[in-house]
Parts: sequence; structure tokens; C-alpha cells
Amino acid sequence: ETGVTQSPTHLIKTRGQQVTLRCSSQSGHNTVSWYQQALGQGPQFIFQYYREEENGRGNFPPRFSGLQFPNYSSELNVNALELDDSALYLCASSPDRTEAFFGQGTRLTVV
Amino acid sequence: SQQGEEDPQALSIQEGENATMNCSYKTSINNLQWYRQNSGRGLVHLILIRSNEREKHSGRLRVTLDTSKKSSSLLITASRAADTASYFCATDIYNQGGKLIFGQGTELSVKP
Repeated sequence: ETGVTQSPTHLIKTRGQQVTLRCSSQSGHNTVSWYQQALGQGPQFIFQYYREEENGRGNFPPRFSGLQFPNYSSELNVNALELDDSALYLCASSPDRTEAFFGQGTRLTVV
Repeated sequence: SQQGEEDPQALSIQEGENATMNCSYKTSINNLQWYRQNSGRGLVHLILIRSNEREKHSGRLRVTLDTSKKSSSLLITASRAADTASYFCATDIYNQGGKLIFGQGTELSVKP
């Protein structure tokens, strides 16, 4: 158990819709990062939040956005879903931006 | 693009044998981390090795880091069927504060 919880576990959405994925981190973990993992690939960095401010972004379009809240929870929002957004989305939290603790992920399918 | 390249992409061994996976990367790093993933679920952190370290052990795991060659290896000794999983190396790039760049992974199959 990593102490990082993601919801929902699975989700099916239609192309063009919007989706919000949630993550609950361990108390004291000020840094949260989101990753997208396509089937058969390694995770790709989407963005990182540190103390509720975005602190680095990967090569993802602006329709991917996030929020981090004072209670160590965070959200990943994706607008105008595309078929290629189908993937496992992983949330990772860290107390000190070194070792990252991952949740079990949300499997998003866009049809 | 992926920073880390892992080799081999797939590895099949018998229980009790050792498994070695290799990772190469391109830029300066703060640290390198190895993760395990079972059946496309969450990643489990195995070991972190800092850029000024050369070798680290944790139970049946041994990790080496050669910063001059920009490469790392993960050795699992006396493997078990339960070690069957995908293994990823991830580099924490220097001066980018915790952003992890993952390789494509090595799929390990340990046969009983």
C-alpha cells in the first residue's frame, strides 16, 4: 500500500466529452504528479503540482489541466476527449520530490 | 520521447535464476529509480539510487549506476514466480525537480 488512492478505477467516456480524475495523497506529500501510460508503453509525465501551484509540464496540450488542494487531494481534468487519450492515468505523490508513491491508476477508455 | 531505454524488452527465466535488466539514459540526473508494475496497474517503487552512488542493495535487488556511461542495471537474484511483472527505470532529471522520465520497460516472466 502506497497511501495514494485514485478514483474511479475504470471509466468509459465518449469522444468530445470532459473527464475529471481524482487522487488522494498521503498527508504531508506536497508534490503530486500525473502520468499517462498508453498500453505497452512507459508512463509519460503530464504535469506536477507543488503546494497547489503547477511546477512543470510535459508535452501535453492545454486541454489537460489539473488542480491540487490543501487537503492533499488533486484532480486531472481532460477536455474534448480524443480516442488517443485512452490510457492508464497514474497519480504519484512525494514528500520531497524524490521517491514517488504511485496510486493504482484510472483506466480511461474513450469511444 | 523517452529518456530511458531498457534492455531487454522481454525476459523469460526459470524460478531460482537471476534476472538482469539494463537502462540507458541521455542527460544528467539527480537520481534513477526502478519500479515494478503488475498487470497494468500501479507502479511499486523498488529502489532509488542517487547520482553520486554506484551500487545499492535491497533484499534480492541490486542496482548499479554508471553515470559516465549513463546506464543502470537491476539484478533480481533467486527469482520467484511472483517477480513476474514489468520493470521500469525512471530518471529524475537534473534541475527539473522530481519530474520522472520512464523507459519503455522490461517484461519479466518467471516460470515455476
